[in-house]
Amino acid sequence: DAKTTQPTSMDCAEGRAANLPCNHSTISGNEYVYWYRQIHSQGPQYIIHGLKNNETNEMASLIITEDRKSSTLILPHATLRDTAVYYCIVRGSSNTGKLIFGQGTTLQVKP
Amino acid sequence: DAGITQSPRHKVTETGTPVTLRCHQTENHRYMYWYRQDPGHGLRLIHYSYGVKDTDKGEVSDGYSVSRSKTEDFLLTLESATSSQTSVYFCAISESVFTGTGGFYGYTFGSGTRLTVV
Repeated sequence: DAKTTQPTSMDCAEGRAANLPCNHSTISGNEYVYWYRQIHSQGPQYIIHGLKNNETNEMASLIITEDRKSSTLILPHATLRDTAVYYCIVRGSSNTGKLIFGQGTTLQVKP
Repeated sequence: DAGITQSPRHKVTETGTPVTLRCHQTENHRYMYWYRQDPGHGLRLIHYSYGVKDTDKGEVSDGYSVSRSKTEDFLLTLESATSSQTSVYFCAISESVFTGTGGFYGYTFGSGTRLTVV
């Protein structure tokens, strides 16, 4: 599975959009991009995933570049409750299904 | 989270004693995983299972064993607990989902077990 690179930490003002980048330059054609977040002491929570097209759901939007080497998670109107560690994970459709986490980005939403 | 429960939620045990953590699911998902989380290391995969009696090692499997005798239960055993195994342990389940763009896995994590080895 491809390795990802994320900034260690980011700040965002409450009510503003939070844009979290992720580099995955070694991604291969059948690998998906997943985003999870972990709020303090809780289990990771699924946010969104994509293969090549941009995706949007009730939580966030995922923008994947045309060459698929990077992506951006967008929280359109960040709230204090969005303060968490955000993980970008790239994995394929192997039989094992295992998910390997990196260090993630700690997003601090400030009032 | 709905459909996945971990027990116990908290445990304190002494060095050298055996410890078993349980993950129970009601989703009938094929895949189950055990992770540990420590400060500075993030989430690391210990063992995983891709079916009843089918298990394999993850990144940090030394000192741990697992068993899956039925679909709904995945047990993690520390045969002889050590202080380095003090951690928060998360269980996860997943199943393959097929969409118009191909297959992917939907993952759900449990609430975690905080284990302290003294």
